[in-house]
Amino acid sequence: GAGVSQSPSNKVTEKGKDVELRCDPISGHTALYWYRQRLGQGLEFLIYFQGNSAPDKSGLPSDRFSAERTGESVSTLTIQRTQQEDSAVYLCASSAYGRAQYFGPGTRLLVL
Amino acid sequence: AQSVTQLDSQVPVFEEAPVELRCNYSSSVSVYLFWYVQYPNQGLQLLLKYLSGSTLVKGINGFEAEFNKSQTSFHLRKPSVHISDTAEYFCAVSDSGGGADGLTFGKGTHLIIQP
Repeated sequence: GAGVSQSPSNKVTEKGKDVELRCDPISGHTALYWYRQRLGQGLEFLIYFQGNSAPDKSGLPSDRFSAERTGESVSTLTIQRTQQEDSAVYLCASSAYGRAQYFGPGTRLLVL
Repeated sequence: AQSVTQLDSQVPVFEEAPVELRCNYSSSVSVYLFWYVQYPNQGLQLLLKYLSGSTLVKGINGFEAEFNKSQTSFHLRKPSVHISDTAEYFCAVSDSGGGADGLTFGKGTHLIIQP
């Protein structure tokens, strides 16, 4: 079946604007994850959703970051009042419970 | 807290030569280990995983890795590399089965295959 998809693939925004990134997980995957990959760095875990449980927000870097997921489907990551240090590739992954994570192609965010 | 150290940021290797990409981890509990590959301008792809059982794990594209608990290592190996193996390789660890929480990643190793 189809893999994890993310949109937009690229986003350029001005400092101070809000952005919304979307992730469509693999059908049937109950778990969904957001990561951030800064240039030349590894991935930083941001947030994790598992079914209808309360999300694990332990990796969110500030209160400007938030994410929602409706049931076991689409998730959106919102960054309010973007800053230049938010520029990164934002990756989404999904998994069946207890299984390995499968990643989407990412959204490249550039904050000017 | 978990951490992952990939000791080499870049590894240049001649085509058809063997390669080893090093990964060491620290964790206070049982670990589950993963290698992901990121080809240029593509997303991350799972290469292989260690969850339990045999410490030698075979993955896609001829790669394998060995879990060594005493040395807290999970090095990735391939006996003969190809130009198409040029990519960024990430080692990751989780303390729950199969990665049912956020993974902790290393900073990556850029494998450069030279003709």
